[in-house]
Amino acid sequence: AQTVTQSQPEMSVQEAETVTLSCTYDTSESDYYLFWYKQPPSRQMILVIRQEAYKQQNATENRFSVNFQKAAKSFSLKISDSQLGDAAMYFCAYRGYGGATNKLIFGTGTLLAVQP
Amino acid sequence: DGGITQSPKYLFRKEGQNVTLSCEQNLNHDAMYWYRQDPGQGLRLIYYSQIVNDFQKGDIAEGYSVSREKKESFPLTVTSAQKNPTAFYLCASSPPGNSYNEQFFGPGTRLTVL
Repeated sequence: AQTVTQSQPEMSVQEAETVTLSCTYDTSESDYYLFWYKQPPSRQMILVIRQEAYKQQNATENRFSVNFQKAAKSFSLKISDSQLGDAAMYFCAYRGYGGATNKLIFGTGTLLAVQP
Repeated sequence: DGGITQSPKYLFRKEGQNVTLSCEQNLNHDAMYWYRQDPGQGLRLIYYSQIVNDFQKGDIAEGYSVSREKKESFPLTVTSAQKNPTAFYLCASSPPGNSYNEQFFGPGTRLTVL
């Protein structure tokens, strides 16, 4: 069974600085998708960024980028120029490719605080 | 505007009572999901449905039931058999296929057992 591990329960960053959130996963599949979701205090889950395993290029969305290391099964999220609105719980998630479901497997989350 | 709505936002239940959480989507998505969120445990899948009139158990289905009579609606019933129902419940939907098919989430329902 696939698992997703986020080893940092809490992180803190100064406004305008850069922070990296870690995520590792375990799978025997060769094709899959990885996601980072943000959950602000409103508790609405928002997709931040996604990565297809067969793509070597790391995904980037504005200030958010990932470092995808397929061999190491690592999928970290880098937030540049951190803003107060980035304060939230961040979840890493895995989805297999193919099969009968789009089931997402989530990590336990990292709570990010942004200090002014 | 297309999206997912969940109601109510807060729900209180007495022990021994069944309660039903509503989830409606107007995104024309085939697949819908129910997740439970507890502190320190991330999101865990309760039930999912790939198509109308069909649904499957997720990882923690015991004490829950669902129905999928309409494409737009996927209500979750928390039964008295659920031993620890106090949690935050999230509904999601996604289109079918093998592309990204990201899941879109509703705003959630906070259930508290008194």
